[in-house]
Amino acid sequence: QVQLVQSGVEVKKPGASVKLSCKASGYTFGNSGITWVRQAPGQGLEWMGWISATNGNTNYAQKVQERVTMTTDTSTNTGYMELRSLRSDDTAVYYCVTGDYEAHWGQGTLVTVSS
Amino acid sequence: DVVLTQSPLSLPVTLGQPASISCRSSQSLVHSDGNTYLNWFQQRPGQSPRRLIYKVSNRDSGVPDRFSGSGSGTDFTLKISRVEAEDVGVYYCMQGTYWPPLTFGGGTKVEIK
Repeated sequence: QVQLVQSGVEVKKPGASVKLSCKASGYTFGNSGITWVRQAPGQGLEWMGWISATNGNTNYAQKVQERVTMTTDTSTNTGYMELRSLRSDDTAVYYCVTGDYEAHWGQGTLVTVSS
Repeated sequence: DVVLTQSPLSLPVTLGQPASISCRSSQSLVHSDGNTYLNWFQQRPGQSPRRLIYKVSNRDSGVPDRFSGSGSGTDFTLKISRVEAEDVGVYYCMQGTYWPPLTFGGGTKVEIK
């Protein structure tokens, strides 16, 4: 079955960068893409962007496009999302998602940005 | 960007009674390929979202048949025929017809009276 296992909790100071990972299994990684979605505490779901594991094409949300980079490593079936110049409002749980119509979700990674 | 408006924000329901959640889109979600990419997700407390319904009315494997999705164009509904305790959580609609970006509704919190 499809599994997405995400990296652990991160605590960062404002202005720092964070790089999250998402290790996939149970499907052909190179034939799909990974979407990243975040959820601020007590808030709804916000699309961050998408990357194709086939060719590396990306689409980023306008809100973060200047600060985010999504990559994949097909040798390890892992997706990555780096977010730079962190601010307090980047505090959220970050989910990686894959599959047709966002079928499969990782367990989420909590990123806390605080001085 | 497509805006999805869910109602109600909060839905207190008696166990065994039906529940209905509305999701309205700022524009028709019919894609040029004829499909309508409107999905529903359930997020139980402390858990990741789980997809329940895709393309308006297709129930995911393992989802109880008390959940059903319907609608067309700009108006969509998720119905729970008889609410059970395990249905407590927040429900989100999401559209993938016009992306980027994918957009989500604001969520509806289902709780037991």
